[in-house]
Amino acid sequence: DQQVKQNSPSLSVQEGRISILNCDYTNSMFDYFLWYKKYPAEGPTFLISISSIKDKNEDGRFTVFLNKSAKHLSLHIVPSQPGDSAVYFCAASGDYGGSQGNLIFGKGTKLSVKP
Amino acid sequence: EADIYQTPRYLVIGTGKKITLECSQTMGHDKMYWYQQDPGMELHLIHYSYGVNSTEKGDLSSESTVSRIRTEHFPLTLESARPSHTSQYLCASSALGTPYYGYTFGSGTRLTVV
Repeated sequence: DQQVKQNSPSLSVQEGRISILNCDYTNSMFDYFLWYKKYPAEGPTFLISISSIKDKNEDGRFTVFLNKSAKHLSLHIVPSQPGDSAVYFCAASGDYGGSQGNLIFGKGTKLSVKP
Repeated sequence: EADIYQTPRYLVIGTGKKITLECSQTMGHDKMYWYQQDPGMELHLIHYSYGVNSTEKGDLSSESTVSRIRTEHFPLTLESARPSHTSQYLCASSALGTPYYGYTFGSGTRLTVV
């Protein structure tokens, strides 16, 4: 039973346009949400995070939006660049019984930014 | 430069062999993790540790074992490798406390058991 879902396995965007990656979750006890970026043959690298008490966090070209009522978050990349082509993982954590605050990951979305 | 290192990067080994995947970090992080990932799938937590002499099983059952004798070192061992163990293994570390800044991951070990 997946607690963090990324329903789009892939996304293709033109360079300079906006990329929107989506993530849904089922556990209302999650209180931190994170996005990771992964290139082939490398480990994931931390991109941006958001606390559940906020609805938006921005860092340069990257903005994460959180809609708690819909249990949905999204990552916006503006403008998209070819170097952004990678797999993006959504992750969540919460300090509830049995979780130990460990990160739970989605399956990832492969973003391709075309020149 | 603070970082987390995994060796080997790639390993092809025969069925029944014993293997140890190495993971070391220089950041002084207390918490360390092992995740397993197959292509197109989520990262599954198989082991984690809060610090020296602490080891816990993760959400995904695994036949592997881990040890934490030193803060910086968190090796994973498979006593008898099988083709079903073929996967990518990712080691990570974090400071105790808020997960807001996430984990730092190593480059991973791609294991193939033939």
